Amino acid sequence: DQQVKQNSPSLSVQEGRISILNCDYTNSMFDYFLWYKKYPAEGPTFLISISSIKDKNEDGRFTVFLNKSAKHLSLHIVPSQPGDSAVYFCAASRGSNYKLTFGKGTLLTVNP
Amino acid sequence: KAGVTQTPRYLIKTRGQQVTLSCSPISGHRSVSWYQQTPGQGLQFLFEYFSETQRNKGNFPGRFSGRQFSNSRSEMNVSTLELGDSALYLCATSMTANSYEQYFGPGTRLTVT
Repeated sequence: DQQVKQNSPSLSVQEGRISILNCDYTNSMFDYFLWYKKYPAEGPTFLISISSIKDKNEDGRFTVFLNKSAKHLSLHIVPSQPGDSAVYFCAASRGSNYKLTFGKGTLLTVNP
Repeated sequence: KAGVTQTPRYLIKTRGQQVTLSCSPISGHRSVSWYQQTPGQGLQFLFEYFSETQRNKGNFPGRFSGRQFSNSRSEMNVSTLELGDSALYLCATSMTANSYEQYFGPGTRLTVT
């Protein structure tokens, strides 16, 4: 049972344009969400997070939006850069249980 | 400051054998979590240790076990290896037990033949 879903296995965008990565979840008890970025041969790196009490969190070029009613979150990268090319994982957690449930990831390719 | 270290980086074992993987956290980090990454299932949580105690456990069979030492280093063990255990095993560390923001190591690539 996939509680966190990233339905797009891959996404390709042009340098300078916006990248939008999507994530859906089924467990309404999730109340904290994170995005990780992973380069080949490296472990995932924390990127940005959002609590369920917010609907938007911004950090430089990265913005995460949360739509609780739709159980959907998205990561916007503006402007996209070739160095952003990586696999992006969405993760969720609930309550005092800090165990992270991950999606399967989306491979983002930013073309120069 | 040095990052999370995992050893070995690559390992090949045969079915039925057992394997032990090691994770050394960032200095000052006391929580260690283990994840299994496979192409079909993505990243799946195995277990979390803090102060030498297992705090959380994922849905994996008892063949998967772990422990944490007083210096916060952690090991995970898989006994009676199966072909399906072939995966990238990642450990993630954080300063406290109650932290969402974890720092991952590069992983150990285990291949079971």
